[in-house]
Parts: sequence; C-alpha cells; structure tokens
Amino acid sequence: GESVGLHLPTLSVQEGDNSIINCAYSNSASDYFIWYKQESGKGPQFIIDIRSNMDKRQGQRVTVLLNKTVKHLSLQIAATQPGDSAVYFCAENVGYYGGSQGNLIFGKGTKLSVKP
Amino acid sequence: EPEVTQTPSHQVTQMGQEVILRCVPISNHLYFYWYRQILGQKVEFLVSFYNNEISEKSEIFDDQFSVERPDGSNFTLKIRSTKLEDSAMYFCASSEGQGGQETQYFGPGTRLLVL
Repeated sequence: GESVGLHLPTLSVQEGDNSIINCAYSNSASDYFIWYKQESGKGPQFIIDIRSNMDKRQGQRVTVLLNKTVKHLSLQIAATQPGDSAVYFCAENVGYYGGSQGNLIFGKGTKLSVKP
Repeated sequence: EPEVTQTPSHQVTQMGQEVILRCVPISNHLYFYWYRQILGQKVEFLVSFYNNEISEKSEIFDDQFSVERPDGSNFTLKIRSTKLEDSAMYFCASSEGQGGQETQYFGPGTRLLVL
C-alpha cells in the first residue's frame, strides 16, 4: 500500500549543528507535503509545507527539500537548539484533485535529540 | 495566535461506555478533522468534516464513531461503545481551506484510556 516512511528513527546532534531529517514517500500522486514537530504530550505543530510544483522552500531556520524523482523529502534545521528536541513527522496528501478531502498520511516519526 | 483547543485533556472510561471528545477549531476555519495516535505509533487519519457533513473517513472510523458540529464553535467526536483498542491520543485539527491544499493545525489532544 501507499506509505510515508522515515529512514532513521532517532537522530542525535550537537547544539549549533545542522540537522537533516529524511522521509521517503511512495505515492507518486501526492502533491502536498508537510513537516510537523511533536513535543512530548502535545499535538503536532506545523513547521513547514511544500507543494509538488516546488523542490525547495525555506522558513525560519528550516528548509524543506522535495525530490520527486526519488520520492524523497527532507527537513533541514539550521543551528539546532535544545528546544528543537522533539519527534518530527512528515505527512503527505494527494490533494483535492487526487480525490482527497484532507486525509494526511503520516510517517512514523524521527526523534531528534539535541545535546547541549 | 489562534489555536485549536480540546477538552478534556485526559479521559478514563470503562469498556463499553460512550465518550465524547470536544474540540474548538480555529474560528475562521471551515474544515475539521480527527486523528488518533496509539502510543508509539503514527498519527492516523479518522475523518474530515466540512459544511456539516463528513467529507472523508478512514477504515478506522466505523459505526462506533460519529462526529458533530453542535453549534458554531464546537466539533465533537463520539465513540459509542469504547473498546480497549480505542485507547489513544485523539487530535482535532482544522484548516481554513480544503485540507489537501491548506495547512492543518492540530490541537493538544485528548488522551483516552479505556479500561
């Protein structure tokens, strides 16, 4: 079946380093991708999104890269801080024209630990 | 900053009992969703709701589940007869536009424990 998966379940980085979190997706019809951050006991918090007509999008300290050829999504966090420690989920959606009414398909998550 | 709120934060119930989970979506949002997350697993889509009707639902959302927008601000998820496997975090989300095109913002969740 179609799925969104993550290459690494855990990632440990030093404070100040850059972090890269990867995600593979298998549904070539997906046209909307989102990264969420989830801290312990809280709901998913939107970080950044990207549509399939783009290959890169930048936010504040974060960049999302989309490679449709290999169906790969990555989240780059610059100058990682202790407050970035959380589980990061990628999610995909085939979009309205793909027949979806908002069904986000989530990956399992990558736990990012930032060492001071 | 507007946010999605959910009540209660925790709910403990006996198997077979009915529970109602409540959500207040962001005020100008028109599309509403419920997701659940079993401990240690992925967030899973349950249902989307627009214009007072269900627009999409997953296989998880069987006849034991129902959603309602009883007034202009609340959005509820009812589980009619809870099962042990319904124990999970339940997240409400809302979006301004159609969720495949617009960002979904999530609430803090309700932790449901079925004994």
